[in-house]
Amino acid sequence: SQQGEEDPQALSIQEGENATMNCSYKTSINNLQWYRQNSGRGLVHLILIRSNEREKHSGRLRVTLDTSKKSSSLLITASRAADTASYFCATTSRVNNNDMRFGAGTRLTVKP
Amino acid sequence: DSGVTQTPKHLITATGQRVTLRCSPRSGDLSVYWYQQSLDQGLQFLIQYYNGEERAKGNILERFSAQQFPDLHSELNLSSLELGDSALYFCASSGGVSLSGANVLTFGAGSRLTVL
Repeated sequence: SQQGEEDPQALSIQEGENATMNCSYKTSINNLQWYRQNSGRGLVHLILIRSNEREKHSGRLRVTLDTSKKSSSLLITASRAADTASYFCATTSRVNNNDMRFGAGTRLTVKP
Repeated sequence: DSGVTQTPKHLITATGQRVTLRCSPRSGDLSVYWYQQSLDQGLQFLIQYYNGEERAKGNILERFSAQQFPDLHSELNLSSLELGDSALYFCASSGGVSLSGANVLTFGAGSRLTVL
């Protein structure tokens, strides 16, 4: 079964607005990653946050992690039409570092 | 080009048949992951190998099997195919889990399987 669940399932915004996607997971994790997928293509790694970190930035991306609530959020600031894609969170099990599970994803549409 | 090569890109076959999907990991990566993505769905983790050994297993059906060879390429075998097996199958590779516990994946472009 999938480990993470993203919320919302779909998000539509105007160019220039911020987009926030949430991910909840069930078990203890070593780290949480966010990946992006353009339609029908392979996923691309965006950012990783370790279980002992609370916030991380990379360009227009900001990720937060709350291990007490077993949740993470991905914020994309000043969105662009090119940000249109599906975004997935992935968690690595604390029990087995090799076990990486993805959520169902959030489909983001940025309208020009 | 991510460096992870998957073949074939597209495959159309009939129910009951058997197919083999192939993955060559990025140069230097020892770990290979297989995922299944059905239409507009998330990724289902199937199985993972590190340097030829199975290290993690997900929701892989008994009709499916995989292996990683000494040259590190991997094959996913799907047998007794059903209509519901139609999906994108992704292979991803990584250098293995680092000391910090991080395991960043590089994905291939996927193999699209259609079962008629």
